[in-house]
Amino acid sequence: KAGVTQTPRYLIKTRGQQVTLSCSPISGHRSVSWYQQTPGQGLQFLFEYFSETQRNKGNFPGRFSGRQFSNSRSEMNVSTLELGDSALYLCASSPWAGDKETQYFGPGTRLLVL
Amino acid sequence: GIQVEQSPPDLILQEGANSTLRCNFSDSVNNLQWFHQNPWGQLINLFYIPSGTKQNGRLSATTVATERYSLLYISSSQTTDSGVYFCAVGLRNFGNEKLTFGTGTRLTIIP
Repeated sequence: KAGVTQTPRYLIKTRGQQVTLSCSPISGHRSVSWYQQTPGQGLQFLFEYFSETQRNKGNFPGRFSGRQFSNSRSEMNVSTLELGDSALYLCASSPWAGDKETQYFGPGTRLLVL
Repeated sequence: GIQVEQSPPDLILQEGANSTLRCNFSDSVNNLQWFHQNPWGQLINLFYIPSGTKQNGRLSATTVATERYSLLYISSSQTTDSGVYFCAVGLRNFGNEKLTFGTGTRLTIIP
């Protein structure tokens, strides 16, 4: 089985721009969670999608949004980028919502905001 | 919110040594997991261990939920064990669960 894939792997943007990151889960997995990792704040939960619905959300401003498609692929969008949004963005997939035991992570997208 | 503290923050060991990593958390949780993040950023789920003891090869973990701590043991360390080890706790609310991560222990294994 192919693992979780994330595209692009690396991205450079400037302040004020917006960005869209993509995550394709393991085949058969219907839940996708997103995390942000920064040196200052560490690993933080962004949101979880299951069956095209946001099931859970972390403490991030409204500039961070996401969606899930009928094939379980998910995208997250960050609008009006700030320098502090520079981070490694990880997505993880699992078979069911709230299932963390069988959660697998993708390789991440490294975003640099200049 | 719940606080998750890991110790030590950094650990440098010779290949073949054993190590114990600790995770303390501030409140009752439904879930505790240990992860390894390799130098390229890939996060691997090591253990799902809300309570009790589990072993997987050279790694084992113990969680004492009543005392709010968990330990990860690595025996006969190899250079491939290098990276950052995170523990994360989960609180379930109406079937939804979000993970709160600790700040990690950076382990460096020297050949």
